[in-house]
Amino acid sequence: GDSVTQMEGPVTLSEEAFLTINCTYTATGYPSLFWYVQYPGEGLQLLLKATKADDKGSNKGFEATYRKETTSFHLEKGSVQVSDSAVYFCALDTTGNQFYFGTGTSLTVIP
Amino acid sequence: DTEVTQTPKHLVMGMTNKKSLKCEQHMGHRAMYWYKQKAKKPPELMFVYSYEKLSINESVPSRFSPECPNSSLLNLHLHALQPEDSALYLCASSRDRQGGQPQHFGDGTRLSIL
Repeated sequence: GDSVTQMEGPVTLSEEAFLTINCTYTATGYPSLFWYVQYPGEGLQLLLKATKADDKGSNKGFEATYRKETTSFHLEKGSVQVSDSAVYFCALDTTGNQFYFGTGTSLTVIP
Repeated sequence: DTEVTQTPKHLVMGMTNKKSLKCEQHMGHRAMYWYKQKAKKPPELMFVYSYEKLSINESVPSRFSPECPNSSLLNLHLHALQPEDSALYLCASSRDRQGGQPQHFGDGTRLSIL
């Protein structure tokens, strides 16, 4: 069945470091892919999305490219800030816009 | 600020109580979702409504009863809950159930069962 495998955390980085959070997926058909971020005490916020192969989603300095050949959607940011500390979820949608979420990756950025 | 509003933010209830969670959106979305999220876990889908009709029930115990009175409102009625039901309950909405639609989440109701 459809699923998402996400890089295990927690991840701790110094401010201004480069961030990569790996996400790979298994799906029948052609899913759309999403990254969501969850700050402490809040719900999930959409960070970026891509709906077809080779699409690049970007927002707030974060980027991810939909790679069909490697079934991946890795999240990257060139220079993280303390305010980026949160939990990041990779997700794919299937028939009927039903979402499958990865396990989440906790990121802590230290000054 | 989120466009999906959930009330209350926190709820403590005993196992014999009856309470309701409320979710509201004014984005004109026609699909609405209830999720349960335990600490350090991803959200788990509970129910999906599409055009005010229940589309998916992920084998949720009957002590959880959803209701969609109109296209903007989604309720979750709670009765005789168990301690393991303590969790963050998230509501989400999307334009419809066609693929590629992002889901917009509220900040959730943190539920504690005594």
